[in-house]
Amino acid sequence: QQPVQSPQAVILREGEDAVINCSSSKALYSVHWYRQKHGEAPVFLMILLKGGEQKGHDKISASFNEKKQQSSLYLTASQLSYSGTYFCGTLRGGTYKYIFGTGTRLKVLA
Amino acid sequence: EPEVTQTPSHQVTQMGQEVILRCVPISNHLYFYWYRQILGQKVEFLVSFYNNEISEKSEIFDDQFSVERPDGSNFTLKIRSTKLEDSAMYFCAIRGRENDEQYFGPGTRLTVT
Repeated sequence: QQPVQSPQAVILREGEDAVINCSSSKALYSVHWYRQKHGEAPVFLMILLKGGEQKGHDKISASFNEKKQQSSLYLTASQLSYSGTYFCGTLRGGTYKYIFGTGTRLKVLA
Repeated sequence: EPEVTQTPSHQVTQMGQEVILRCVPISNHLYFYWYRQILGQKVEFLVSFYNNEISEKSEIFDDQFSVERPDGSNFTLKIRSTKLEDSAMYFCAIRGRENDEQYFGPGTRLTVT
């Protein structure tokens, strides 16, 4: 079962904030976040390795709650360049199978 | 960031034909992955390949699919007898050196007619 992301889609105005959630029914040992622009490959954004860890990358940050098997991606003061589909991803514990979440389409309007 | 190239960028083939998609990492890597993404849908894991052997494959990766590393650098995905539903973007990815994050090639768009 793949991680479920919410919301499925979100539309923002430039400067607004957004939160994208990723929930797994199975234990998460690490979570990765990616952004995919239309017609392009997914691009790695950041990794969360420990429970409760929070990382930042410009105005994009993420948190990881190991106990709740959830991760959240925070986009603050969104820019037009943030538009795309965001995926969480993780390696299934004990396997070499890499699983992506269901994806969240984000559109930032001027 | 590791770099991966893929060829061709776009392949059009007739149903029943065989196709070979290629992936070339810029530097040496041991872990390779292939993914499929049908237009507008999720990224689906096909197979992982470690040290010249398949380490894991999904239920999608049936007998019509195979992977090889024929010359120690190129990494290929072969689809033996293509079906219409094989039309998708196929991405090759390598694993980050310290963790499991994925670095993708630009993809090959496969169109089966």
